[in-house]
Amino acid sequence: KAGVTQTPRYLIKTRGQQVTLSCSPISGHRSVSWYQQTPGQGLQFLFEYFSETQRNKGNFPGRFSGRQFSNSRSEMNVSTLELGDSALYLCASSTVAGGSYEQYFGPGTRLTVT
Amino acid sequence: GQNIDQPTEMTATEGAIVQINCTYQTSGFNGLFWYQQHAGEAPTFLSYNVLDGLEEKGRFSSFLSRSKGYSYLLLKELQMKDSASYLCAVRDKVDSGYALNFGKGTSLLVTP
Repeated sequence: KAGVTQTPRYLIKTRGQQVTLSCSPISGHRSVSWYQQTPGQGLQFLFEYFSETQRNKGNFPGRFSGRQFSNSRSEMNVSTLELGDSALYLCASSTVAGGSYEQYFGPGTRLTVT
Repeated sequence: GQNIDQPTEMTATEGAIVQINCTYQTSGFNGLFWYQQHAGEAPTFLSYNVLDGLEEKGRFSSFLSRSKGYSYLLLKELQMKDSASYLCAVRDKVDSGYALNFGKGTSLLVTP
């Protein structure tokens, strides 16, 4: 079974631009979550999607948005990029298996804002 | 909100046992995860505890006490490749969904 895939793996953008990141979950997983990881703040929850609905959102400004498609693939968008948005963006897909919750991360997209 | 605390750094010797502690405060506890993250890589799932007690998986074990807001990850027969950051994360029920909130991680260095 293929793992979580994210595209692109690396991205360089200029302040003020916008960016769209893509995530394909593990086959059969209907829940997708997004995280931002920076050296100073660690891993921070952005949002969670399940069956095309956003179930929860972390403490990030409205410039950060996302969506999930009917095939469970998800995208996140960051508008009006700021230097502080430079980070590793991780997507994770999850499911309940055998009564236990499992979550697996993709390799991440490293975004650099200049 | 919640607090998740774990030591910043630990050092242990190859072949030894190390215990990494995690304490948390949360209002909607729905499980605790441990992840391993090597530098420059994504976190790798190690364990999930939702009930009190010990879960064992090979060289790795994870313990949870919900009443104490406490968990630990036990690594036995340490190998050099176990040098990594270990992240404690609490799944919290929030509104109609869940949020996974992470501690800052414990950087483990295994020495020969």
